[in-house]
Amino acid sequence: DTAVSQTPKYLVTQMGNDKSIKCEQNLGHDTMYWYKQDSKKFLKIMFSYNNKELIINETVPNRFSPKSPDKAHLNLHINSLELGDSAVYFCASSQGAGLLNEQFFGPGTRLTVL
Amino acid sequence: EDQVTQSPEALRLQEGESSSLNCSYTVSGLRGLFWYRQDPGKGPEFLFTLYSAGEEKEKERLKATLTKKESFLHITAPKPEDSATYLCAVSDQGAQKLVFGQGTRLTINP
Repeated sequence: DTAVSQTPKYLVTQMGNDKSIKCEQNLGHDTMYWYKQDSKKFLKIMFSYNNKELIINETVPNRFSPKSPDKAHLNLHINSLELGDSAVYFCASSQGAGLLNEQFFGPGTRLTVL
Repeated sequence: EDQVTQSPEALRLQEGESSSLNCSYTVSGLRGLFWYRQDPGKGPEFLFTLYSAGEEKEKERLKATLTKKESFLHITAPKPEDSATYLCAVSDQGAQKLVFGQGTRLTINP
């Protein structure tokens, strides 16, 4: 299936742990994103990569570090997890960084920090 | 700073009862306004992009319109499968990001 996939779908962990979320797209897109959706359902951009180059880095704690090994993958590593990091994290992709093309979203990773 | 406000937060309709969802925005030079649909436990799914005031787009029972300050998503004779959260987002001339509203949770009762 052509799509944006994320692993894992659910992640439950203790405060202080380090965890990673992986994202892959097989749509041939050159731009990928990480979004955070909080309990009030607001979807907020965290990072954006175009051709493996970071182009958007919102005011996100530096405990969050994205890594793009190639155009099809964008992973998110989170150090020293805090309770406030609990949310659903979505990966998305699009063709072009100009945001005039639709973004395709993955199914989300629900992170729960205990 | 770009802002997007959607209303109502939640809307419950009977099957066949038409209505509209509102998206008000403040942006310095609109580049595009986007509508997405999100089902529970899933990622948002693209519906429409509108670029300039006066533009309209349709897809099945949905029709999106745009003015200089707001967009409406009209739903005509909705069916239960139209139940979802509808998200609005804007992109301005300078930023390379979408700013989303909080969504309208639409429930269509059979």
